[in-house]
Amino acid sequence: EIVLTQSPGTLSLSPGERATLSCRASQSVSSSYLTWYQQKPGQAPRLLIYGASSRATGIPDRFSGSGSGTDFTLTISRLEPEDFAVYYCQQFGSSRWTFGQGTKVEI
Amino acid sequence: EVQLLESGGGLVQSGGSLRLSCVASGFAFSSYSMSWVRQAPGKGLEWVSTFGPSGNTYYADSVKGRFTISRDSSKSALTLQMNSLRAEDTAVYYCAKNGAVTDKDFDYWGQGALVTVSS
Repeated sequence: EIVLTQSPGTLSLSPGERATLSCRASQSVSSSYLTWYQQKPGQAPRLLIYGASSRATGIPDRFSGSGSGTDFTLTISRLEPEDFAVYYCQQFGSSRWTFGQGTKVEI
Repeated sequence: EVQLLESGGGLVQSGGSLRLSCVASGFAFSSYSMSWVRQAPGKGLEWVSTFGPSGNTYYADSVKGRFTISRDSSKSALTLQMNSLRAEDTAVYYCAKNGAVTDKDFDYWGQGALVTVSS
C-alpha cells in the first residue's frame, strides 16, 4: 500500500502570505491520480486539485498543484481568511485509495 | 446541482450491524463510481469502499469481509452494510461521488453520517 506523508503537520501563517504544503509518497504515484482536498471544521472535504495540477470547478487560481513521482506540492499563493483549514492529499493505486494525514494551515 | 444525502447513522454495540444509505441527485448516478470515506473523531480521512459503474467493488483491508457496498441505480442510492462493527469503526461516514475526469478522486461529498460503536 502506498503511504502518503504530508508536511508540515501544521503551518502557521498570516493572510496574504504564501503557503507551501508537501505530500510525499512511499512509492511512485501516477500524477493523474494525485488529488488535494480542503476541509474546514464541521464540513465535508472539498475537491481542490485533481491530476496533481488541475483545479476543480470553482477553485480560485491562487491554489496550484505541482509535482510528480513521489513528491507533490500544493501552493496557495496569497492566503485569504477562508483558506485556513486542513488540507489532505490522496492517491489511487493498486485498486486502493489512500490519504495523507493532513496539514493544518492556521493563522 | 449535485446532492448526496446520507442516512442511517447511529449508536450500535460492538459486534452489531448498521446500514448506511446515500441518495444522490443532480447527475447520472449509474455512470459514475460511488464511494464511502470515513473520518474518526479528530482524525484524518480514510477510504472505505467504492462501487464502480460496471459493478466492480473495492474495499479497504480494514473493512473487507465485514462491510458490503451496493447500489440501486433505479433509486440513485448507494448503501453500505456494516457488520461485526468494532470500536475503531466509530467515525463520520461520507458518501462521495467519484470524479468525472479520472474516476480516482472524489468531486462531491455528502454531509456525513455519524456511526458510534460502543464497547
